[in-house]
Amino acid sequence: NAGVTQTPKFQVLKTGQSMTLQCAQDMNHNSMYWYRQDPGMGLRLIYYSASEGTTDKGEVPNGYNVSRLNKREFSLRLESAAPSQTSVYFCASMSSRNKVSNSPLHFGNGTRLTVT
Amino acid sequence: GESVGLHLPTLSVQEGDNSIINCAYSNSASDYFIWYKQESGKGPQFIIDIRSNMDKRQGQRVTVLLNKTVKHLSLQIAATQPGDSAVYFCAEPPDNYGQNFVFGPGTRLSVLP
Repeated sequence: NAGVTQTPKFQVLKTGQSMTLQCAQDMNHNSMYWYRQDPGMGLRLIYYSASEGTTDKGEVPNGYNVSRLNKREFSLRLESAAPSQTSVYFCASMSSRNKVSNSPLHFGNGTRLTVT
Repeated sequence: GESVGLHLPTLSVQEGDNSIINCAYSNSASDYFIWYKQESGKGPQFIIDIRSNMDKRQGQRVTVLLNKTVKHLSLQIAATQPGDSAVYFCAEPPDNYGQNFVFGPGTRLSVLP
């Protein structure tokens, strides 16, 4: 049981280049999330997907797009990378759509992205 | 907005001692809390959670205490080991999908030999 798997682990891009970060979970979770983590800023939500076929903006969506390919996979795309997008990106999943059933987020190990 | 924060940014303890990491929250309606451990170069790892109908919950070498009166929770790690060195933060799930989890900034635990 791998949990949440992210690829690639590391990436260096030049300003203006595009790339897609991949995420897959094998826990049959309904909800999936993309976060970025910057020093002193904590985790900030970029986009989330409540269920297969739906996506919504989070706190910092500008410059990103997402695709919920199926229940397992949720990708994050940078169309034109900027140095401000240098960060560590975490994908996460959760089984329940609200906290009534009290389920935690499960995170992947991140993609470390540098934009020069 | 509501916030979940930590009292101390760093904590150093001797190997074998007990560690206590604190977290304050501001939303009195919160009814569920999660503790995460994040080791260097890794993603946050779920440690333990607690519901508001409980004051205490124990796991393997970890105990979470919840004081709803003062809106405070703590994570206690017994017999701290070098492998416990990490950043620990508390989190509060949203009421629904439209809201974000509220994460504390984290406390870095350093275990001294």
